[in-house]
Amino acid sequence: QSVLTQPPSVSGAPGQRVTISCTGSSSNIGAGYDVHWYQQLPGTAPKLLIYGNSNRPSGVPDRFSGSKSGTSASLAITGLQAEDEADYYCQSYDSSLSVRVFGGGTKLTVL
Amino acid sequence: EVQLVESGGGLVQPGGSLRLSCAASGFTFSSYWMSWVRQAPGKGLEWVANIKQDGSEKYYVDSVKGRFTISRDNAKNSLYLQMNSLRAEDTAVYYCARDGVFWSGYYTSYYFDYWGQGTLVTVSS
Repeated sequence: QSVLTQPPSVSGAPGQRVTISCTGSSSNIGAGYDVHWYQQLPGTAPKLLIYGNSNRPSGVPDRFSGSKSGTSASLAITGLQAEDEADYYCQSYDSSLSVRVFGGGTKLTVL
Repeated sequence: EVQLVESGGGLVQPGGSLRLSCAASGFTFSSYWMSWVRQAPGKGLEWVANIKQDGSEKYYVDSVKGRFTISRDNAKNSLYLQMNSLRAEDTAVYYCARDGVFWSGYYTSYYFDYWGQGTLVTVSS
């Protein structure tokens, strides 16, 4: 059971908008620690998608955006494309455990 | 171009040892904290350990404390993970990752900005 909770799966049709939630607690996201997001395409290593809640590294399309509020964070993907089909993970820091923690991951299916 | 290339994975019996290596290039290795992150088959990601630029500080997830040792050789641009007393639950793909730093104005947060391709460690008799 992960410290950060994500839905196991989400889906959407090409061109649609989907969101993936990441719910934490008062010892991680709720304490003010930032949230980062990773995309893992099938059979490959994870890739940084969003850092510091809402910042995109160079090369990441602006179709991907992140936000944080209270004890939760969200990743939004607009204009869904077939190549977005992947697993997505959120990550933060937990002060009770004193470690960086991940969500359990969300599998995005493009219908 | 930042590149991280892991090696050293394989099949090992329970109780055995293995040493993973990560060769870094394309950036000033000695300027960055570095981490190991693992992923059990079909499961999510788990941070394992990290090490400061000069090797003076090291941190581990509780489940590997006393069994795993992270180290680095800045002259060789290399990161290592010595794994002893291996257990079946250590079976995973192990990724080498560079630590990125973000200052929000309240906290300094660390994330993983570059990842290697991973090396598979299988602990089984």
